[in-house]
Amino acid sequence: DSGVTQTPKHLITATGQRVTLRCSPRSGDLSVYWYQQSLDQGLQFLIQYYNGEERAKGNILERFSAQQFPDLHSELNLSSLELGDSALYFCASSSGDSRSYEQYFGPGTRLTVT
Amino acid sequence: SQKIEQNSEALNIQEGKTATLTCNYTNYSPAYLQWYRQDPGRGPVFLLLIRENEKEKRKERLKVTFDTTLKQSLFHITASQPADSATYLCAFLGGATNKLIFGTGTLLAVQP
Repeated sequence: DSGVTQTPKHLITATGQRVTLRCSPRSGDLSVYWYQQSLDQGLQFLIQYYNGEERAKGNILERFSAQQFPDLHSELNLSSLELGDSALYFCASSSGDSRSYEQYFGPGTRLTVT
Repeated sequence: SQKIEQNSEALNIQEGKTATLTCNYTNYSPAYLQWYRQDPGRGPVFLLLIRENEKEKRKERLKVTFDTTLKQSLFHITASQPADSATYLCAFLGGATNKLIFGTGTLLAVQP
């Protein structure tokens, strides 16, 4: 158990809809990262937050947005969903300081868009 | 752009043998390189981190090497067991932030 929790585990929704994925980092970790993993793309970095502020952005679509709240949990919002958005979405956390670069991943949310 | 390449073909080995997985990178000189294990449908699990000034790092049956001249890292599992069967991902930190760039992973299958 990595200490990172994600909800829900599974999500099935229709095209055009909007969903919210939630992540709670390990206790004490200030950085949260979101990744998308699909069969043909591998693990792709989406966005990073550090202590409530956006730190880095990857190839995140404009239809996707995220935020990190004062209690450090984070939410990833996906809107106007398309079939191609079906994937596993992982959240990871790290301490965010220069002493520790390893990231701890949650169990993921499997999103199916029909 | 920065790129990591791992052998996309599955590696099949016999129990007890040493498994060696390769990670090559281009267009970047990472200060750190990491290896993760991922089981089907689960999140990656951090295994080892090696710095550019370290030639080798060990943890129990795992060994990682980092050759900055060849731009390559090798990941070894000695005395492999069927429980070691999983996909192994290498990743490096891209840029000033802790943004990880992952390879596509190599599936290791250890036969009993």
